[in-house]
Amino acid sequence: QQQVRQSPQSLTVWEGETAILNCSYENSAFDYFPWYQQFPGEGPALLIAIRSVSDKKEDGGFTIFFNKREKNLSLHIKDSQPGDSATYFCAASAATGYQNFYFGKGTSLTVIP
Amino acid sequence: AQTIHQWPVAEIKAVGSPLSLGCTIKGKSSPNLYWYWQATGGTLQQLFYSITVGQVESVVQLNLSASRPKDDQFILSTEKLLLSHSGFYLCAWSLVGGRDEQYFGPGTRLTVL
Repeated sequence: QQQVRQSPQSLTVWEGETAILNCSYENSAFDYFPWYQQFPGEGPALLIAIRSVSDKKEDGGFTIFFNKREKNLSLHIKDSQPGDSATYFCAASAATGYQNFYFGKGTSLTVIP
Repeated sequence: AQTIHQWPVAEIKAVGSPLSLGCTIKGKSSPNLYWYWQATGGTLQQLFYSITVGQVESVVQLNLSASRPKDDQFILSTEKLLLSHSGFYLCAWSLVGGRDEQYFGPGTRLTVL
């Protein structure tokens, strides 16, 4: 059972547009949601994260909108640049005894100049 | 500043041969350490975690084992590789007591033929 789902699987936007990546989850116990950015052949890099007590988190051109009732969140990438072309993973974890992260399948973003 | 190093960068191995992958963290004392596996173009699956030297917990069974011989070192190994072991292996760390914010290494690409 996929605990974290992402959509779309791939997304293409023009340079300067806002890219919107979606994520939903099943487990109500999840309370921490990081987004990772991964370039081909590299390890994922932590981009931005939100806790379930908040409904919005901003960092530079990246914003997470979180809806606890609907169990979904979205990552908005403002003024997308070709260098933002990468795969983005949504993950989730709960306050268990260890830090078990559940990752979605990722969204591949392409920004066309 | 903390650095995470994985070795080797890439490996090509035969089915049935042994494997040993390594990970070293510098600049952080007694971090929590994790091993992840990522199929080509796929999501990340946590394999093992360790909160202290000599103690490793398994998250999923993939005919792999892990050990933490030193505070800053994490080893992933198997005596007999399977075709299904091919993929990208990632080491990650987080702060002791901190439940969140896992940081990934550069990864090791494993091809089993």
